[in-house]
Amino acid sequence: DSGVTQTPKHLITATGQRVTLRCSPRSGDLSVYWYQQSLDQGLQFLIQYYNGEERAKGNILERFSAQQFPDLHSELNLSSLELGDSALYFCASSGRQGVISGNTIYFGEGSWLTVV
Amino acid sequence: DQQVKQNSPSLSVQEGRISILNCDYTNSMFDYFLWYKKYPAEGPTFLISISSIKDKNEDGRFTVFLNKSAKHLSLHIVPSQPGDSAVYFCAASVNTDKLIFGTGTRLQVFP
Repeated sequence: DSGVTQTPKHLITATGQRVTLRCSPRSGDLSVYWYQQSLDQGLQFLIQYYNGEERAKGNILERFSAQQFPDLHSELNLSSLELGDSALYFCASSGRQGVISGNTIYFGEGSWLTVV
Repeated sequence: DQQVKQNSPSLSVQEGRISILNCDYTNSMFDYFLWYKKYPAEGPTFLISISSIKDKNEDGRFTVFLNKSAKHLSLHIVPSQPGDSAVYFCAASVNTDKLIFGTGTRLQVFP
């Protein structure tokens, strides 16, 4: 158990819809990262928040947005969903602003999104 | 643009032998490299890392080698065990910034 909690674990929705994925970081961790893993793709970095502020942005579509709340949990909002958005979405957390060493960043179990 | 590449999607190795997983990168600014292991239905877990100032780091059965001139990273597992069967991702970062992951290599260790 990494201490990072993601909900829901599985989600099936129709094209054009909007969903929200939730992440609770490890206790005390200020950084939250979102990654997308599609079929045959590696983990694509989407976005990072640190203590409520956006810190880094990766290959995140304009239809996607995220935020980190005062209690440090984060939500990833996916709208106007397309079939190609079907993927495993991971959240990771870290106590630091960046990656200091590999064992300072912890991943949740992921949220499986299927768009039909 | 895939900055971190794992060109072998899968690898099959006999138990007790050496497993060698390879990773290539294009960004010469990467200064920290990591390997993560992922079992089905679980998130990636950290395995081993190496700073760009080193060329080798060892932790038990796992050794990571870095060849900066070739922009190549490899993970050696000796001896391989059935429990090592998983997907292995290499990742890199610049100045402790976000991790950029490769596409993963599925390792299967058979008896």
